[in-house]
Amino acid sequence: EIVLTQSPGTLSLSPGERATLSCRASQSVSSSYLAWYQQKPGQAPRLLIYGASSRATGIPDRFSGSGSGTDFTLTISRLEPEDFAVYYCQQYGSSPRNTFGQGTRLEIK
Amino acid sequence: QVQLQESGPGLVKPSQTLSLTCTVSGGSISSGDYYWSWIRQPPGKGLEWIGYIYYSGSTYYNPSLKSRVTISVDTSKNQFSLKLSSVTAADTAVYYCARDPTNQWEPPGWGQGTLVTVSS
Repeated sequence: EIVLTQSPGTLSLSPGERATLSCRASQSVSSSYLAWYQQKPGQAPRLLIYGASSRATGIPDRFSGSGSGTDFTLTISRLEPEDFAVYYCQQYGSSPRNTFGQGTRLEIK
Repeated sequence: QVQLQESGPGLVKPSQTLSLTCTVSGGSISSGDYYWSWIRQPPGKGLEWIGYIYYSGSTYYNPSLKSRVTISVDTSKNQFSLKLSSVTAADTAVYYCARDPTNQWEPPGWGQGTLVTVSS
C-alpha cells in the first residue's frame, strides 16, 4: 500500500509570497496519475493539477506542479488572498495506487 | 464533458447499510475510459478513497473498508452504486463519486458530493 505524506502540515505565509508544498510517496508512483486539489471550507475539493504537472481548466498559471518517482511539489508562485486553503495530493487511477495525502493547510501569516 | 451526480438518503441509522448512487451524464459508463470511484470526507477531516469499479465489473477496495464495501455498476442506467454495511457514526461523511481516467492526458472529475449522517 502506498502512503502519501504531505509537508508541512501547516504553512504560514503572506500574500505575494511563494508557497512550496511537498507530497512524498512511500514508494515510486506514476507521475501520470498524481493530482493536487484545493479545498476551502464548506466546498468540494477543486482540481488544480493532474498528471503531476498539467493545470486543470481555469486554473491560474501561478499554480504549477512538478516531480516524479517519490517526490512531488505544488508551487504557488505569488500567493493571492483566495489561495489560502487546504491542499491535498492524490494518487489516482487503477489499484493499488489510489490514496490521498493528509493535507497541507496554507494560512495567512 | 462527463459529469457525475450523487444521490441517496442523507440519514442512515447505525448498523444499517448506506446506499448511494452516482449518475453519469455526458458519456457512457461502458466506454472503458474511466475507473468509477467513491471517495469520502468526514467532517473536519481529510479525504479517504473508498474503492472503484471498472465497466467490466472488476473492483478494488480500500483494504480498511473492504469487508463492508460493495461497489456495483448498472450500465443500462449509466449509474454506479456504493453500499457500505454495518455503519457507525464514524461513517458520517460527505461522499463523492469520481471518474479516474485511463488516459493520463485527461483530468479526473468529481461529483459535488452528498452528506450522509449516521444517527439514530
